[in-house]
Amino acid sequence: GAGVSQSPSNKVTEKGKDVELRCDPISGHTALYWYRQSLGQGLEFLIYFQGNSAPDKSGLPSDRFSAERTGGSVSTLTIQRTQQEDSAVYLCASGPSGNHNEQFFGPGTRLTVL
Amino acid sequence: QKEVEQDPGPLSVPEGAIVSLNCTYSNSAFQYFMWYRQYSRKGPELLMYTYSSGNKEDGRFTAQVDKSSKYISLFIRDSQPSDSATYLCAGLKTSYDKVIFGPGTSLSVIP
Repeated sequence: GAGVSQSPSNKVTEKGKDVELRCDPISGHTALYWYRQSLGQGLEFLIYFQGNSAPDKSGLPSDRFSAERTGGSVSTLTIQRTQQEDSAVYLCASGPSGNHNEQFFGPGTRLTVL
Repeated sequence: QKEVEQDPGPLSVPEGAIVSLNCTYSNSAFQYFMWYRQYSRKGPELLMYTYSSGNKEDGRFTAQVDKSSKYISLFIRDSQPSDSATYLCAGLKTSYDKVIFGPGTSLSVIP
């Protein structure tokens, strides 16, 4: 069976541009998570979806960051007016329920802001 | 102070060695503890999951939690070059709480 997929795998953009990162979770998984991973910083939680709603978006670092999920499946993380400090690997995970200890990660999108 | 701390390494060991990877955490409410393995350019994958204090063994891997000292360990026996990866520890209060990850320890097993 297919795991979590993310696209693009790499994205290079110029400061000030908007970017969209996509996550396709495992089919049937109701929970979806976005994390950011910077060198030496570990995984930083961004947002959690249960179905199409986001009960916890406390990790979004600023109002330049937003995410949506449609049809209880695909999710898009949008970063507006990108800054150099946004450069990181953005990881998506999905889970079969609201138990946060069951998370299956995708390969990530490596974002570089020049 | 970060809620979960790990020595980033890198840790380099010869093949066949016993590896000990360690984390400390500050939140005494943590009840669930996980170890994830992350290969280069890949997402993390869950290795071990434990609840409360004690030991859990799975093949060559043993996870150990000491809640009194807020210390969690992962032991790898008979280490293999394929074990070379970054190991992330994580904790959470209940299974419905946010997972807090450590920064990871980079391990290299030399043939």
